[in-house]
Amino acid sequence: AQSVTQPDIHITVSEGASLELRCNYSYGATPYLFWYVQSPGQGLQLLLKYFSGDTLVQGIKGFEAEFKRSQSSFNLRKPSVHWSDAAEYFCAVGPYNTDKLIFGTGTRLQVFP
Amino acid sequence: EAGVTQFPSHSVIEKGQTVTLRCDPISGHDNLYWYRRVMGKEIKFLLHFVKESKQDESGMPNNRFLAERTGGTYSTLKVQPAELEDSGVYFCASSQDAGPFANTGELFFGEGSRLTVL
Repeated sequence: AQSVTQPDIHITVSEGASLELRCNYSYGATPYLFWYVQSPGQGLQLLLKYFSGDTLVQGIKGFEAEFKRSQSSFNLRKPSVHWSDAAEYFCAVGPYNTDKLIFGTGTRLQVFP
Repeated sequence: EAGVTQFPSHSVIEKGQTVTLRCDPISGHDNLYWYRRVMGKEIKFLLHFVKESKQDESGMPNNRFLAERTGGTYSTLKVQPAELEDSGVYFCASSQDAGPFANTGELFFGEGSRLTVL
């Protein structure tokens, strides 16, 4: 069965520090991969997605993610975190033959000044 | 342009009562999805409408849940009777032509409706 694992429930970083949020997926074929963010009081917003091609994907707000097939991973990175990045981040996979997303449990990011 | 709006933002009800959640998608979006997040767990797909038709309702937990989208505009999700395990955040999302897997498609999510069943 397809699944997404986000091993870190809660991460705390200092403003200006680099960030990497982990995501591992289980899926038989090359999946469609997504990262969403939910800021306080907001809906989920798409940060970036990977369908095919270049395995390093650039997204909004300075985020990027790298698809590594050998590790079944799609980790999200940002070189320098801003206080406004404090939010909950969700990794998701899209099975090829359906129109629905399978989400991980989310990682809550806290940013200290 | 207004985003996806959901109402109510928070509902507290007693076990056995009925609750109806409403979602207004972005105007012109034919695809409407319901997802749910139970506390501390992953966000799970419930169902997908294309216009007024249910395209996929494989994620609906049981027959206490009824989703409708009359006229292909707004959608309602009714839980009757509510049970304790129904507590969580119910998200609605919409997209224009295709789902999240089209290169130009994007899912737009609402803020969610938090349901607490006591």
